[in-house]
Amino acid sequence: AQSVTQLGSHVSVSEGALVLLRCNYSSSVPPYLFWYVQYPNQGLQLLLKYTTGATLVKGINGFEAEFKKSETSFHLTKPSAHMSDAAEYFCAVSDDTDKLIFGTGTRLQVFP
Amino acid sequence: DVKVTQSSRYLVKRTGEKVFLECVQDMDHENMFWYRQDPGLGLRLIYFSYDVKMKEKGDIPEGYSVSREKKERFSLILESASTSQTSMYLCAAQGPQGTEAFFGQGTRLTVV
Repeated sequence: AQSVTQLGSHVSVSEGALVLLRCNYSSSVPPYLFWYVQYPNQGLQLLLKYTTGATLVKGINGFEAEFKKSETSFHLTKPSAHMSDAAEYFCAVSDDTDKLIFGTGTRLQVFP
Repeated sequence: DVKVTQSSRYLVKRTGEKVFLECVQDMDHENMFWYRQDPGLGLRLIYFSYDVKMKEKGDIPEGYSVSREKKERFSLILESASTSQTSMYLCAAQGPQGTEAFFGQGTRLTVV
């Protein structure tokens, strides 16, 4: 069965600093991987996804993630944090069972 | 854009009541999901459905049931609500595997 581990329930960065949110997955087959963002009092919104092909995936708002099969990781990065990036971020995995499984989330705080 | 509509944003019910949470999507997507979201636990899958009248248990199905009589509607049922079911409930719809899942705004259920 697939699963997702997000290391760090809270991450704090200064505005302009690098953002790194970690995600490791477990899947018995090549997975589909997703990052979603949730702003306060809103639903989830897709940031980016990996299905096949290029392992470096670019998403909205300057975020990107790299699929590393050898490390079973799909970490999310952004070179320069903005105040508006403060939100909760969820990594998710889907395999051949159609289930979409989420991690426990990482709350990103951005300080001026 | 796909729209996923949950019937209520906020709901207060009494212990022992039967509770129905309704979710409707407008894009003919096969897969639909019900999650509950709790602080520190992320999104946990309750049930999902991959076709009309087809359903599969997720990770935490106890105390819940679902109904999918029409493709666009996926209902979550709490047969006898308990205080432990106080939570945010999120519905999602997804097309072919590996595509984006679209989320509703959530229903915050309080059981008193």
